[in-house]
Amino acid sequence: DAGVTQSPTHLIKTRGQQVTLRCSPKSGHDTVSWYQQALGQGPQFIFQYYEEEERQRGNFPDRFSGHQFPNYSSELNVNALLLGDSALYLCASGTHLKETQYFGPGTRLLVL
Amino acid sequence: AQKITQTQPGMFVQEKEAVTLDCTYDTSDQSYGLFWYKQPSSGEMIFLIYQGSYDEQNATEGRYSLNFQKARKSANLVISASQLGDSAMYFCAMREFYTGNQFYFGTGTSLTVIP
Repeated sequence: DAGVTQSPTHLIKTRGQQVTLRCSPKSGHDTVSWYQQALGQGPQFIFQYYEEEERQRGNFPDRFSGHQFPNYSSELNVNALLLGDSALYLCASGTHLKETQYFGPGTRLLVL
Repeated sequence: AQKITQTQPGMFVQEKEAVTLDCTYDTSDQSYGLFWYKQPSSGEMIFLIYQGSYDEQNATEGRYSLNFQKARKSANLVISASQLGDSAMYFCAMREFYTGNQFYFGTGTSLTVIP
């Protein structure tokens, strides 16, 4: 049973560019949440998707957007990249019926 | 105010000894969950243990136990018989079930197990 998978594992971009990160949830899970983890910090909630809709959003600007597909996989898009967007981006999946979320290995984004 | 506070940036423990990692939380919700995750240097957050606010008994999962003191709003993680592979960052997190689905994380504690 595959866990949460994310791609790519590492990414280097320059300021102003756009990036798309991908996540496949654990089998049987229907919610996907995205988190940003800056170096030395705990993860910060970006948003959660359920039934292909954004259900809740954290304190992130509109440059951060997402999508959930009918197979429950998800994408995180970040436009107009800033140096401060450099971080580990974590995807977590769960079910709307249970409490726990399970995380993927993350995508390390470096913005130069 | 911080939802989750972890006051120990770094901890050391001798192999085979027990260690307690502290976590306090702040919420006005009656229904919430408390979680601990382990994050090795590879980056993946590994789920360790869960405690619901209405659970009367402390949660246990193998060598991990959660010391839940509701009145003090604390949810400390106890790791028994520490192993070298336990060296990692440990994060305490909370989810408020009435107000949403997001997890609030603390700043983490770096645990080093000494041979």
